[in-house]
Amino acid sequence: NAGVTQTPKFQVLKTGQSMTLQCAQDMNHEYMSWYRQDPGMGLRLIHYSVGAGITDQGEVPNGYNVSRSTTEDFPLRLLSAAPSQTSVYFCASRETSTYEQYFGPGTRLTVT
Amino acid sequence: AQSVTQLGSHVSVSEGALVLLRCNYSSSVPPYLFWYVQYPNQGLQLLLKYTTGATLVKGINGFEAEFKKSETSFHLTKPSAHMSDAAEYFCAVSQAGTALIFGKGTTLSVSS
Repeated sequence: NAGVTQTPKFQVLKTGQSMTLQCAQDMNHEYMSWYRQDPGMGLRLIHYSVGAGITDQGEVPNGYNVSRSTTEDFPLRLLSAAPSQTSVYFCASRETSTYEQYFGPGTRLTVT
Repeated sequence: AQSVTQLGSHVSVSEGALVLLRCNYSSSVPPYLFWYVQYPNQGLQLLLKYTTGATLVKGINGFEAEFKKSETSFHLTKPSAHMSDAAEYFCAVSQAGTALIFGKGTTLSVSS
């Protein structure tokens, strides 16, 4: 199993540009989520999904969109990038029975 | 609502000394509790978790944590620190069916 994969690893955007961060898992987990990590702030939940076709907002959803058309994929879209979205983004999926959450390697995003 | 408080954003110990990282949580129902470790420029790795059963939980790399319901705490300990333990540690809480909420993290430094 590859686990949770994220692409790209690094990305630089200009203010106003849009992009999609990709996330995929091969563990057949229903629950997936996106976090951003900023110094001194820990990991903050952006959006999450409890299954295909079902998504909901987390603590910091503004400026981000998600969709879940398949169990495997959970992309995160930045509609119009802002410098405040400079961060490291982590995707995760969770095993239903143990509640153990598996994290991807992260995407480091810089918005100039 | 759930929340997690990690006391001390930075803890410094000498090699061979006891490691104690503090975590307090708030939860209206029995929680699931986790400790994750993050080495520089890497993703998050699960150290240990408490879901049900024995309140003293052993994890990887010699770490353990004790769930104390009366104190709403889940402190992480290791009897003897190694240089390789230097990293950032995150405590997290979840309830059945809900998102994983993280504390802001504690950076552990180990000196020789």
